[in-house]
Amino acid sequence: DTGVSQDPRHKITKRGQNVTFRCDPISEHNRLYWYRQTLGQGPEFLTYFQNEAQLEKSRLLSDRFSAERPKGSFSTLEIQRTEQGDSAMYLCASSLRLAGANNEQFFGPGTRLTVL
Amino acid sequence: EDQVTQSPEALRLQEGESSSLNCSYTVSGLRGLFWYRQDPGKGPEFLFTLYSAGEEKEKERLKATLTKKESFLHITAPKPEDSATYLCAPRRGNDMRFGAGTRLTVKP
Repeated sequence: DTGVSQDPRHKITKRGQNVTFRCDPISEHNRLYWYRQTLGQGPEFLTYFQNEAQLEKSRLLSDRFSAERPKGSFSTLEIQRTEQGDSAMYLCASSLRLAGANNEQFFGPGTRLTVL
Repeated sequence: EDQVTQSPEALRLQEGESSSLNCSYTVSGLRGLFWYRQDPGKGPEFLFTLYSAGEEKEKERLKATLTKKESFLHITAPKPEDSATYLCAPRRGNDMRFGAGTRLTVKP
């Protein structure tokens, strides 16, 4: 296991379509995060899971967005009825939650979404 | 409201010309400040975590320092391969609040 992987790397869709992205974290990591990044900005937090439980969601995460981590391993992020404003890089990160540990997050390569 | 400001937005250096990047933050209940490097089209790569004022960490040509309101990333004798966007991210709770980054270009 060499790191966090994301699929697909690029997605082009038409406005109104649904899209789903997948993230496979580092295998022993129990926390998984989703971020969105637009050009010239830093990543913005969307949501995170500890094992299979979704513990926090940002106000940025509208009801068109849903994330799951059904078995505490991989995660999916679905966007329904995409809008042009959803065009961005969607980043996944994972970390190992241990008391007293640094808990740094390791990022995947991202999925670049373009909504036409 | 939590705020993170990185300066300058962009920095062009000649190879070997040392400089510093700044990260100013107002985050209540800080639980660590993280520095990442991001190359175009890739995810951020972890560099450092700092937890308390006065703490310093070094890695190759990079040194990160932390005060109660700011963090600095010092780059000593940079090389072209140090060209990237450098992001700082204070953490409050379980999520990180990223700055917009400093885009560093090092010319040979």
